[in-house]
Amino acid sequence: AQSVAQPEDQVNVAEGNPLTVKCTYSVSGNPYLFWYVQYPNRGLQFLLKYITGDNLVKGSYGFEAEFNKSQTSFHLKKPSALVSDSALYFCAVRATGGFKTIFGAGTRLFVKA
Amino acid sequence: DAMVIQNPRYQVTQFGKPVTLSCSQTLNHNVMYWYQQKSSQAPKLLFHYYDKDFNNEADTPDNFQSRRPNTSFCFLDIRSPGLGDAAMYLCATSRDKLSNQPQHFGDGTRLSIL
Repeated sequence: AQSVAQPEDQVNVAEGNPLTVKCTYSVSGNPYLFWYVQYPNRGLQFLLKYITGDNLVKGSYGFEAEFNKSQTSFHLKKPSALVSDSALYFCAVRATGGFKTIFGAGTRLFVKA
Repeated sequence: DAMVIQNPRYQVTQFGKPVTLSCSQTLNHNVMYWYQQKSSQAPKLLFHYYDKDFNNEADTPDNFQSRRPNTSFCFLDIRSPGLGDAAMYLCATSRDKLSNQPQHFGDGTRLSIL
């Protein structure tokens, strides 16, 4: 069975500091991994995905994520956080050839000025 | 800009009174999904259409139905809303069923039940 874990309900970081939002996954076969962001009263917005190739994936708004197969992780990172990055972040996984997207429980990011 | 549009953004209905939520897309995507999201939790897939082929999740209550009259539009019908159906309902699309494709979400309809 596929699953996604986001171990932190909330992450607090000061503006200008690096941020990391953690995600681990469990899937049969090769995973397709995604990060989405959700602002208040808005839908989910796609940030980036890992399909194959380079383990470091760059996405929108300066975000990047590192795929680590041995640790089954796909942590979201940004070198310098902005107050406007404060939002709810979802990690998601699909198995190769699979249809359904499995979302993590979400991590709320607070960036303090 | 191509996008996914949900109407209305906020819907209030009475307990047991049928309600319909709508979604339209200008992306010309083959797949449309309906999700239920409660209190900033993970979205829960209710059903999806691949073109005209309807696929219901096993745990989606019978109270929830969907229609897709054409490629651009998809509707969520809640026949007899209960208090537990109060939630944000998100519509999403993807180009096809390939598992490496991201989904494109609308901004949701927040449903309240009186």
